[in-house]
Amino acid sequence: EAGVTQFPSHSVIEKGQTVTLRCDPISGHDNLYWYRRVMGKEIKFLLHFVKESKQDESGMPNNRFLAERTGGTYSTLKVQPAELEDSGVYFCASSQVGGITDTQYFGPGTRLTVL
Amino acid sequence: AQSVAQPEDQVNVAEGNPLTVKCTYSVSGNPYLFWYVQYPNRGLQFLLKYITGDNLVKGSYGFEAEFNKSQTSFHLKKPSALVSDSALYFCAVRDLGDNNDMRFGAGTRLTVKP
Repeated sequence: EAGVTQFPSHSVIEKGQTVTLRCDPISGHDNLYWYRRVMGKEIKFLLHFVKESKQDESGMPNNRFLAERTGGTYSTLKVQPAELEDSGVYFCASSQVGGITDTQYFGPGTRLTVL
Repeated sequence: AQSVAQPEDQVNVAEGNPLTVKCTYSVSGNPYLFWYVQYPNRGLQFLLKYITGDNLVKGSYGFEAEFNKSQTSFHLKKPSALVSDSALYFCAVRDLGDNNDMRFGAGTRLTVKP
């Protein structure tokens, strides 16, 4: 069974540019999560999709971040315009049930560097 | 609000020795605790979780963790470390009172020396 995949693995952009990150969850997983780890600190929750609906987007830092999951399959996270403080590793995770005890399976992450 | 602390940024052990990676938590309700490991250039891999029941939880790769409610801790342990265990370890907690969000610690880098 294929795991969670993310694309690209690395992205280097200049401040003010736009970047779109993609996440493909494990097939059949309705729940999809985005997280971010900045500057070696803790991994922080960004948002949670159930199928194509946003269940919880309380962790999104500001309106420069837009997440979508059209069709309830893969998801994209767009940063527009990117700022220096957006640099970090963006992780995607998926789970089947979505309950509090459910295990989330993570992708390899996308390392974003904003210059 | 829930939170997790990993008090050690770095843990160094010799191969064959026991290892412990520490984690303490703070929640308003019942804690649901998780350990993940990140190997170089890889994503986070699930190791084990505590939901309820036996305080000693066994997981992948010979790791185990002990839930201690009185000390609000969930330390990760392994009786005999391998060089291949060298990685970044993250503790996480979920709490019914906080939108079920997963809260992670800052991570502990474990280095096992031959």
